Amino acid sequence: EAQVTQNPRYLITVTGKKLTVTCSQNMNHEYMSWYRQDPGLGLRQIYYSMNVEVTDKGDVPEGYKVSRKEKRNFPLILESPSPNQTSLYFCASRGIAGGLDNEQFFGPGTRLTVL
Amino acid sequence: QQQVKQSPQSLIVQKGGISIINCAYENTAFDYFPWYQQFPGKGPALLIAIRPDVSEKKEGRFTISFNKSAKQFSLHIMDSQPGDSATYFCAASRNSGAGSYQLTFGKGTKLSVIP
Repeated sequence: EAQVTQNPRYLITVTGKKLTVTCSQNMNHEYMSWYRQDPGLGLRQIYYSMNVEVTDKGDVPEGYKVSRKEKRNFPLILESPSPNQTSLYFCASRGIAGGLDNEQFFGPGTRLTVL
Repeated sequence: QQQVKQSPQSLIVQKGGISIINCAYENTAFDYFPWYQQFPGKGPALLIAIRPDVSEKKEGRFTISFNKSAKQFSLHIMDSQPGDSATYFCAASRNSGAGSYQLTFGKGTKLSVIP
């Protein structure tokens, strides 16, 4: 089954304690992205990657890091989480070959609470 | 600068009625306009999408209307059902140039269909 998986699905942590949210896709997609979803603000892009070792900032990158060492994985790293990073996070992937109409698939989400 | 503006923020429709959600964009380089549907506790999923070379696309009860000159597009849900209750996001993307393949999302519309 084609899918994007994220782990963990729920996480409660404390300010300053480094954490990583993993994301993996099994569709051989080149493009991967992280979003955060907050009430009234919709989906805002944090970082994206066009392929292995190619990453770039989205609209709200402050306080986050990413890496793309393998095509299927795109972890999101919070080195020193703060309460304003409490949010619902989504990983997504999209194929590029074949053109723009390729569907973007989203993972199930990770609900993060930073105390 | 919000590149895709979506309205209304919330919408209540009676079963059997028509739900209409509107979006407006600013960047004339956008050439792909998808709509995503998100149920509580789930990631967004592609519902229907349109390219600017057509003015309308219909899939079952869901129709996208596109007005290129006005830079507006809308989602119409005919014969709305309680199972359509979800949050709907419009989005826009471009196929070339800076930011290719990045989806810019509207802030979402929470639709409630009441029996």
